[in-house]
This record gives sequence, C-alpha cells and structure tokens, in this order.
Amino acid sequence: KQEVTQIPAALSVPEGENLVLNCSFTDSAIYNLQWFRQDPGKGLTSLLLIQSSQREQTSGRLNASLDKSSGRSTLYIAASQPGDSATYLCAATNYGGSQGNLIFGKGTKLSVKP
Amino acid sequence: DTEVTQTPKHLVMGMTNKKSLKCEQHMGHRAMYWYKQKAKKPPELMFVYSYEKLSINESVPSRFSPECPNSSLLNLHLHALQPEDSALYLCASSWGLAASNQETQYFGPGTRLLVL
Repeated sequence: KQEVTQIPAALSVPEGENLVLNCSFTDSAIYNLQWFRQDPGKGLTSLLLIQSSQREQTSGRLNASLDKSSGRSTLYIAASQPGDSATYLCAATNYGGSQGNLIFGKGTKLSVKP
Repeated sequence: DTEVTQTPKHLVMGMTNKKSLKCEQHMGHRAMYWYKQKAKKPPELMFVYSYEKLSINESVPSRFSPECPNSSLLNLHLHALQPEDSALYLCASSWGLAASNQETQYFGPGTRLLVL
C-alpha cells in the first residue's frame, strides 16, 4: 500500500529565503507525482506534475524533482514571498491505478515572514 | 474556463436534515471526484465518476449519495449525517481516468460542512 510522507510538517522562513519541501513515497511504481498548494479553508491548486519518466519540472520560482529509485520528491521554492504562505501537499498516483487514486501526504504548512 | 465551482460555500445541518452539495465544471472533463478533508488532514477520496457512471466508491457510508446528472454536474446528497462528518468537501475534475500520466485534477474551493 502506497504511503506518502512529508517533512517537515511546518516551516517558517524569512522573506527572500530559498527553501526545500520534502516528500517521500514507499512504492516506486508511480504514474506521476504532483505538488498542490492549499490556502486555509480553500481548495487545492495544482503546482507541478512530474511524470514517472521525468526527473524534474519547473514553473516560475518553483522546481520539483523526482527520484523514483529513492522514493523521494522535493519542491524547491526560490526567493520566497509572504504570498507563498500556504500548505503544500504532494500526491502520488500509482501505476496501474486510476487517476482517482491520488495518495496525499499530510502536507507542509509554510509561513513566509515579511 | 479552468474553474470548478462548488455550492454552497458553507453549510450547517442537523442530523435529521437532507441537503445536497453541488459541483460544476465546463472544461469538458469526463471524470469528476468527491473528496472529504478533515482539519489538518489530507483529502481522502470518496467517489469517482467517469463518463457519468460511478467508477469508484471508497467504502463510503450510504448516508452520502453521489449523483452525476450530466457531464458538467456532480451532486452529493446528504442524509442523516453524524457530527463526525463535519469536514471540507472538495470536488475535482480531470479529462479522464489515467488517460495520460500528464493529467492533473482541478479542484473546486470546497464546501465547509458542519453537522450539529
């Protein structure tokens, strides 16, 4: 059974700092790995999706990497801003499963202080 | 239009009430999902519809009854809920089920439900 873990559970940084959020998964037979952002009481916004054959994806100040062999993904945020404050969730879709089977980690709550 | 809308935003109901949550998307997606999210927990999948047919039911109690009247709409009918059912209910949609490993799900803002 796939399990997704995110470390740390919470992170507070000063504005402008570069930071890394970690995600690990137990079953390397994944279809893809996604990173989402969730603001308090709101829905999820998809940030990056990495296919199983890819090593990384970039969007603006965000860069996500995937290492299937070690069961790890990282989300790198450059030059953090207060607007980046939110909970970041990673989710794995297992190979052979339906798209509905997003297995989420518990998230990392990020706070960027001005 | 890349938006999934959900109504109502907030709902308070008693344990004997019957209410419905609504979800709508106009992106032409053929798969739609209901998730339940408790505070400080990740979303948990409840139901998946593909081409308006129920594809996945993750052992959800019968007091939750999904309905997909057409390809753009998804309802969740609620009856005789318990206080522990209080949560954020999220709807999502995607082009299809595992049609491509490039697919992502688009989430609505959710309905925050409180059962008294």
